[in-house]
Amino acid sequence: SQKIEQNSEALNIQEGKTATLTCNYTNYSPAYLQWYRQDPGRGPVFLLLIRENEKEKRKERLKVTFDTTLKQSLFHITASQPADSATYLCALETNTGFQKLVFGTGTRLLVSP
Amino acid sequence: EAQVTQNPRYLITVTGKKLTVTCSQNMNHEYMSWYRQDPGLGLRQIYYSMNVEVTDKGDVPEGYKVSRKEKRNFPLILESPSPNQTSLYFCASSGQGAISPLHFGNGTRLTVT
Repeated sequence: SQKIEQNSEALNIQEGKTATLTCNYTNYSPAYLQWYRQDPGRGPVFLLLIRENEKEKRKERLKVTFDTTLKQSLFHITASQPADSATYLCALETNTGFQKLVFGTGTRLLVSP
Repeated sequence: EAQVTQNPRYLITVTGKKLTVTCSQNMNHEYMSWYRQDPGLGLRQIYYSMNVEVTDKGDVPEGYKVSRKEKRNFPLILESPSPNQTSLYFCASSGQGAISPLHFGNGTRLTVT
């Protein structure tokens, strides 16, 4: 069956360290994958998109990798700050229609001062 | 400011009492969609609309209706709400490009007793 998995346990790190979040999927062949940030009581906010032919994408302190062989995307936040504390969702394109995204359940990141 | 506006933010109702959750976007986006978010299940698509008067079912459409009479509005209608529709609902919109990121509203927390 098709699955998209993100670590359901919260990730706790110290300020200044690099946070790495994982998104694994099975039985999908997405043309692209997106990452969103969600704060409590708010809607998800788009962060980055990476296409299947791109190995890596960067935006300021954020970096996303996409390995279609491993069926995995990694999301990195370098020099993390307490303000980065949030839940991060990955969403992959299902190739079944326009804007057909399937979302992971998200990983909560807690950055301690 | 570009945004997706949902109302109300919180709603408590009783089984069987029809309700409507409104959604409006000011970005002239063609595509709009409704999701529900439940613990452990992630965001699941209820209905979507590619343009005015064009709507289609998502992954969990049962018990919901939508309409798209104007480009900016996409209301979600629960004709006869049931307790299993207690959830956090998000409206989202995106531009015409096939991989345009989604812009989400801030959610409507619905409780059906």
